[in-house]
Amino acid sequence: QKEVEQNSGPLSVPEGAIASLNCTYSDRGSQSFFWYRQYSGKSPELIMSIYSNGDKEDGRFTAQLNKASQYVSLLIRDSQPSDSATYLCAVNGGSNYKLTFGKGTLLTVNP
Amino acid sequence: ETGVTQTPRHLVMGMTNKKSLKCEQHLGHNAMYWYKQSAKKPLELMFVYSLEERVENNSVPSRFSPECPNSSHLFLHLHTLQPEDSALYLCASSQAFGETQYFGPGTRLLVL
Repeated sequence: QKEVEQNSGPLSVPEGAIASLNCTYSDRGSQSFFWYRQYSGKSPELIMSIYSNGDKEDGRFTAQLNKASQYVSLLIRDSQPSDSATYLCAVNGGSNYKLTFGKGTLLTVNP
Repeated sequence: ETGVTQTPRHLVMGMTNKKSLKCEQHLGHNAMYWYKQSAKKPLELMFVYSLEERVENNSVPSRFSPECPNSSHLFLHLHTLQPEDSALYLCASSQAFGETQYFGPGTRLLVL
């Protein structure tokens, strides 16, 4: 059973701080990794994708991938109240089409 | 994001009703997906279509019946649903398998 694990939270950070979201996965053959943001009552929207080990930065967001440790993370710098949402980690399990999602981490950024 | 649209956005139905959910993607993608999202559970993949051919039926009960008449449209036909089927149903599309999936706004379904 291919699994993606995330802390459900809630993770609470003050405005301006760095929020760190973590995800582990079980399938060593996984090739593609995604972070989605989902506001309450809305559908998931893509924030970042990452395919190779290391860091990938996009604005205030940095995705980090360590395939040896089967670990992917998302850092949000200068967190804003508008970043408050559930963050979903998704992993392509090597079967080319199936994304396995974690349960998501609820992030709250306090003004 | 209007690349993937879904109708209706909200649906209330009785257990004996028949209804259909519609998804349309305007992104020129070749793969389309149906997901179910229930409270406190991860997104569950239900069906996958590639170039109108179903490639995944993830042990979904037969009361859910998908249809993909062309690469831009995807339907989910519902009949004799159960209250536990109440959830957010999400459609997604991607250019190809393994690539980024883009989600529609979802249909919030309530089965009474």
